[in-house]
Amino acid sequence: EAGVTQFPSHSVIEKGQTVTLRCDPISGHDNLYWYRRVMGKEIKFLLHFVKESKQDESGMPNNRFLAERTGGTYSTLKVQPAELEDSGVYFCASSRAGLTLADTQYFGPGTRLTVL
Amino acid sequence: AQKITQTQPGMFVQEKEAVTLDCTYDTSDQSYGLFWYKQPSSGEMIFLIYQGSYDEQNATEGRYSLNFQKARKSANLVISASQLGDSAMYFCAMSPFFSGGYNKLIFGAGTRLAVHP
Repeated sequence: EAGVTQFPSHSVIEKGQTVTLRCDPISGHDNLYWYRRVMGKEIKFLLHFVKESKQDESGMPNNRFLAERTGGTYSTLKVQPAELEDSGVYFCASSRAGLTLADTQYFGPGTRLTVL
Repeated sequence: AQKITQTQPGMFVQEKEAVTLDCTYDTSDQSYGLFWYKQPSSGEMIFLIYQGSYDEQNATEGRYSLNFQKARKSANLVISASQLGDSAMYFCAMSPFFSGGYNKLIFGAGTRLAVHP
């Protein structure tokens, strides 16, 4: 079974540009999550999809961030326009149900975003 | 407020010895999950072990065990017989009950473990 994959692994862009990150969850996992870790800080929750619906987007920092999950499969996270403080590692995770305590989230390798 | 605290930014251990990584949590929920993840230098986050708040027995997974002390709100990770490959960043995380499910994870700052030969 393939794990969670993320693309690209690294992205370097200039302030004001747009970047789109992609996440492919584990097949059969309805729940998809985005997290990010900015330098020196804890990993923070951004949002949670159940299939194609946004269940919780309370962690999205501002309206420059747009996440989509069309068809309930892969998800994209677009940052437009990117600012310096958006630099960090963006993780995607997926889980099967999200309804029980033991429902483990499996993480992808992350996308390291650098905004210059 | 729900929070995870990992007070050890870095730890050293000799190969083949046991090491305990500390984790305390703060929540008013009665129902929650506790997780440990390992992040090696390659960057991926690897799930290690899970403990439910209602579980009476401490969780164990191979060389990993979770020392769960509910009254003290601590969930320390114990790694027995350390190996060089255990050198990594370790994150403690909590999944509180939220909006009808156990959704977002709340992470601690992490502990960097170095295993010496």
